[in-house]
Order: sequence, then C-alpha cells, then structure tokens
Amino acid sequence: DSGVTQTPKHLITATGQRVTLRCSPRSGDLSVYWYQQSLDQGLQFLIQYYNGEERAKGNILERFSAQQFPDLHSELNLSSLELGDSALYFCASSVGIGGRETQYFGPGTRLLVL
Amino acid sequence: AQTVTQSQPEMSVQEAETVTLSCTYDTSESDYYLFWYKQPPSRQMILVIRQEAYKQQNATENRFSVNFQKAAKSFSLKISDSQLGDAAMYFCAYTTFGNEKLTFGTGTRLTIIP
Repeated sequence: DSGVTQTPKHLITATGQRVTLRCSPRSGDLSVYWYQQSLDQGLQFLIQYYNGEERAKGNILERFSAQQFPDLHSELNLSSLELGDSALYFCASSVGIGGRETQYFGPGTRLLVL
Repeated sequence: AQTVTQSQPEMSVQEAETVTLSCTYDTSESDYYLFWYKQPPSRQMILVIRQEAYKQQNATENRFSVNFQKAAKSFSLKISDSQLGDAAMYFCAYTTFGNEKLTFGTGTRLTIIP
C-alpha cells in the first residue's frame, strides 16, 4: 500500500457525460500528479499540482481539468467523455518538487466510457 | 524532448534464474533521475528501484539491481533469483531536476516460468 488513495476504483459511464476522479496523497506529500494509461498511448503525464497551485501540464485535453484543494486532495474532472477516454487514471504524490522526489502511485481509477 | 525506450516488449525467465530488462533514454540534461516501476496484474504501479544520474554507484534493492551506463544512456534492470511474484509489466521512467513529470517507456512484460 503506497498510502495514496483514489476513488472510485471503477467507473462506467456513457459518452458525453462528466465524471470526477478523486485522489488523496500520502500524508505529508504536497505534490500531486495525474497520469493516464491507455492501450494506444501508454502511460502519459496529464497535470501536476504543488501545494494547491498548478505546476506543470502535459498532454491534458481541454475537456479535462483538475484542482488541488487546501487539504491537498485533488480531483480530476473529465467532461464530454468520448470512447477514447476509456483508460486507467493514476494519481501519484511526492513530498515536494525538484525531480529527485520519488512519486508513489495510487491504485488507479478504471474508467470505461460506453 | 526526452524519450525512454524499452526494446523488449516481452521477456520470460525460469524461476530462480536471472533476467535483465533493457532501457535506454535520450536527454541533454545532466541532472536527472531514473526509475523502474512494476505493474502486476492488479495494475498497481509499484516502485522497484531508483537511480540518481550523479551517482556512479549502481542502485541495489535486494534481488533487484541496475546497470547504469551514463555515457551510453542505458539503464537496465537485473532481477536475480526470479520468483513467481515478479511476473508483471516493468516500466522504465525518467525525470529531471525542475521538471517532475515522469516520462515512461512502453514497458516489458515479464513472465516467470515455474
């Protein structure tokens, strides 16, 4: 158990819908990352927050947004869902920033868009 | 752009034997960090081992060790005394100082033959 929690574990929804994925980092970690794992794209970085502020953006679609709250939990919002958004979404956390910090991953949320 | 290449989509090894998984990367940075993550059938991403580029000594964690060849930009993972529980996808990953996003390779699926 990495100490990072993600809810829900599984999500099945329809095209055009909106969902929210939730992540709680390890105790003491200030940095939260979101990654998407799909069959065709592999593991891709989406976005990073550090202590409530957006720090870096990767290949995140405009239909997707995220935020980190004062209690450091983070939410990833996916809207106007398409079939191709079906994937495993990971949250990871680290103590700080700089690159030297190891990222610990949550168990993931498996999203299926029908 | 930094890239990580894992040229072996699949590998297999007899139980108790040793296997080496290959990884190469491309970067112009001097301060960076390399990781091996394991993804078993549960899909959880588990850190196996990490290496700081400035350290000449190869990292070791119990049965897992790396062969870090900085000039060749190579970072291979050696698993000794392979066990059935080692069966998983193994991902090589890279990050740099000041840019914390992980860049992953495409993974190597390791099968352990009893």
